[in-house]
Amino acid sequence: KAGVTQTPRYLIKTRGQQVTLSCSPISGHRSVSWYQQTPGQGLQFLFEYFSETQRNKGNFPGRFSGRQFSNSRSEMNVSTLELGDSALYLCASRNRVTDTQYFGPGTRLTVL
Amino acid sequence: AQSVTQLGSHVSVSEGALVLLRCNYSSSVPPYLFWYVQYPNQGLQLLLKYTTGATLVKGINGFEAEFKKSETSFHLTKPSAHMSDAAEYFCAVSDTGTASKLTFGTGTRLQVTL
Repeated sequence: KAGVTQTPRYLIKTRGQQVTLSCSPISGHRSVSWYQQTPGQGLQFLFEYFSETQRNKGNFPGRFSGRQFSNSRSEMNVSTLELGDSALYLCASRNRVTDTQYFGPGTRLTVL
Repeated sequence: AQSVTQLGSHVSVSEGALVLLRCNYSSSVPPYLFWYVQYPNQGLQLLLKYTTGATLVKGINGFEAEFKKSETSFHLTKPSAHMSDAAEYFCAVSDTGTASKLTFGTGTRLQVTL
């Protein structure tokens, strides 16, 4: 079974731009979460989607948003990028039966 | 709100020696606890998890952890370190009653020397 896939793997943007990251969960998993990983703040929860609805949200500004499609694929969007948004963004899909979360390889975003 | 403290940002052990990575948690409800490993330029891989039931949890690659409620700890151990164990290890807690919305510790980088 294929794992969680994230595209693109690397991205370079400039301040003020916006960016969209994509995540395809493991087949059959309907729950998708996003996390931000930075050297300074570590791993922080952004949000979780299940059946196209946001179920949980972390403490991030409104510039960070997400959505989930009917096929469970998810996207997250960051508008008006700031230098501090440079991070590894990790997507995780959850098997609700075994209640196990599987992480993708991440998208490394660099904001210049 | 829940939190996780990992003591020691760097731990170095000799190959074949015991690995002990410390994790203490804070949670207002019965926690779900996890250990993940991250290799360079990769995502997180689940090593093991505690939800309910047996407090000694065995995971992949010979790792295990024991949930000690009285000490609010969930330390990760492996009897004999291997060079391939060198990586960063994260302890995480969830208070949602599921494996979602994890709060992670700051991580411990494990170095294994010959």
